[in-house]
Amino acid sequence: AQTVTQSQPEMSVQEAETVTLSCTYDTSESDYYLFWYKQPPSRQMILVIRQEAYKQQNATENRFSVNFQKAAKSFSLKISDSQLGDAAMYFCAYSPSGNTPLVFGKGTRLSVIA
Amino acid sequence: GAVVSQHPSRVICKSGTSVKIECRSLDFQATTMFWYRQFPKQSLMLMATSNEGSKATYEQGVEKDKFLINHASLTLSTLTVTSAHPEDSSFYICSATRQGFAEAFFGQGTRLTVV
Repeated sequence: AQTVTQSQPEMSVQEAETVTLSCTYDTSESDYYLFWYKQPPSRQMILVIRQEAYKQQNATENRFSVNFQKAAKSFSLKISDSQLGDAAMYFCAYSPSGNTPLVFGKGTRLSVIA
Repeated sequence: GAVVSQHPSRVICKSGTSVKIECRSLDFQATTMFWYRQFPKQSLMLMATSNEGSKATYEQGVEKDKFLINHASLTLSTLTVTSAHPEDSSFYICSATRQGFAEAFFGQGTRLTVV
């Protein structure tokens, strides 16, 4: 069974600084998708970034980028120029295809210090 | 875009009553929808997979007679919590998949409180 592990229950970062959230996963599939979702206090799940396993290039969305290491089954999220609005719960998630449920990690709570 | 609307956002019901939660895809047809439960400060736990026109597939340990799921159309799935008890109080979230997209689109969630 596929599993997703987030080893950092909580992280904090100073405003304008950079922070990296860790995620590892386990799968025997060769093609799959990885995601980072943000859940702010409103509890709405918001997609931050997506990575297709067949793509070697790391995904980037403005201040958010990932370090995808397929062989190591690692998928970390880097947030640059952290803003107060980045404070939230971040979930790493895995899916073997677009029509299957996501497998979530336990989440990392990110605090941003002004 | 791909918008999923979940209603109600909050509901309080009495023990022993039933409550229905709706999950609608507003601008696309969702052949598959998923229902999750989230306890405070925890991750999302998959409850069931809902496919239009067929019976839902429940995860191990989820009581299908307590959590009734109906997916009668390509844009609507409902979760009915029957004979609710205080231990059913939780945050319930639905998501939908859209053809051509790898990511799931989430509803706003429903906070259920059973008193």
